[in-house]
Amino acid sequence: DVVMTQSPLSLPVTLGQPASISCRSSQSLVYNDGNTYLNWFQQRPGQSPRRLIYKVSNRDSGVPDRFSGSGSGTDFTLKISRVEAEDVGVYYCVQGTHWPYTFGQGTKLEIK
Amino acid sequence: EVQLVESGGGLVQPGRSLRLSCTASGFTFGDYAMSWVRQAPGKGLEWVGFIRSKAYGGTTEYAASVKGRFTISRDDSKSIAYLQMNSLKTEDTAVYYCTRDPPWDLADYWGQGTLVTVSS
Repeated sequence: DVVMTQSPLSLPVTLGQPASISCRSSQSLVYNDGNTYLNWFQQRPGQSPRRLIYKVSNRDSGVPDRFSGSGSGTDFTLKISRVEAEDVGVYYCVQGTHWPYTFGQGTKLEIK
Repeated sequence: EVQLVESGGGLVQPGRSLRLSCTASGFTFGDYAMSWVRQAPGKGLEWVGFIRSKAYGGTTEYAASVKGRFTISRDDSKSIAYLQMNSLKTEDTAVYYCTRDPPWDLADYWGQGTLVTVSS
């Protein structure tokens, strides 16, 4: 199975400051069709996960533009340009290139 | 508006069975693959399995942890996806979410989840 490793696992951030989460895969996530199936999800306390980013860098409808995704191959990053109070929660990367699809361990973002 | 509503969770003894349902609305159900993802209490997310749309054969894939015990099916006429869980183990205790999977894409919508507790 592809192992997804996120860092850091805990991320205290001051309101208005940027935040960055790394996600590394144990093998390339480039699929036969040339796409890279790496998504990012946010799970706020007590809620279902919500997709933020698909195929590395595409923001979902309604997702604030302070969220951005980047990366390639085995190395990916989720960035929040200016953290707001509503961003508190756990962030997961997931790969959908190789079955079984696998999630990172999750990164807990909290306000410092 | 896309909606996914899971139901059927509850308390069940080890070794018994349970069937979860995911009732969809707000989109053409038959055009999408559907997945089940679970989250044990206080833990991360695990992809349980998925069923492709009929256009892609309607076939299924399962995580090794549930293969041979769990079965995913779908009824496109009712817009419902099912997760049949047999031979349940205590480690299957989790909130089970269903997700909508567009072609060549993953989990753009999630349900609210249903809690399954396996305990004697």
